[in-house]
Amino acid sequence: AQSVAQPEDQVNVAEGNPLTVKCTYSVSGNPYLFWYVQYPNRGLQFLLKYITGDNLVKGSYGFEAEFNKSQTSFHLKKPSALVSDSALYFCAVSSSRTGNQFYFGTGTSLTVIP
Amino acid sequence: GAGVSQTPSNKVTEKGKYVELRCDPISGHTALYWYRQSLGQGPEFLIYFQGTGAADDSGLPNDRFFAVRPEGSVSTLKIQRTERGDSAVYLCASSLRGGRAAIEAFFGQGTRLTVV
Repeated sequence: AQSVAQPEDQVNVAEGNPLTVKCTYSVSGNPYLFWYVQYPNRGLQFLLKYITGDNLVKGSYGFEAEFNKSQTSFHLKKPSALVSDSALYFCAVSSSRTGNQFYFGTGTSLTVIP
Repeated sequence: GAGVSQTPSNKVTEKGKYVELRCDPISGHTALYWYRQSLGQGPEFLIYFQGTGAADDSGLPNDRFFAVRPEGSVSTLKIQRTERGDSAVYLCASSLRGGRAAIEAFFGQGTRLTVV
């Protein structure tokens, strides 16, 4: 079965500090991994994805994520957090066997403290 | 329009009533998805269309839920005999193609359904 775990409901970080939002996954087949961000009263916005190739993926707004196959993880990172990064972040996975379905984690609420 | 459009943005209905939720995908996107997001949860897959046909409807919770996409563009999610447990935000997404291609989906702002 396909699943995604985001172990932290809430992450707080000071502005200017690095941030990490954790995600682990379980899939059959080759994983396709995604990060989405959701601002209040707005739809999910695509940030970045890993399909194949380089394990470090760079995306929008300075975010990056590292695919780690042995740990089945895809943690989202940013070197220096901004207050405007405060939002709800969702990790999602599909696979080479179930490409039409995205399985989402329960989300992590990120608060960047000025 | 430039993005996925969903109407209405909010819908309040009485228990037992019928509702229709509309999704207008990005022009040229052949794949269309419906998801449901309950409070404090991530989106849950409902149904996926490739063109006009429902390629995967395994996420529909029961036969009260039905979706159509008759011309391969606009889709309507239909819920019969609504129950209070149906209250959630219903999200629509589209992508250039679906199936086994790992293409990101673009989401609308959702329709918040409240059944009273």
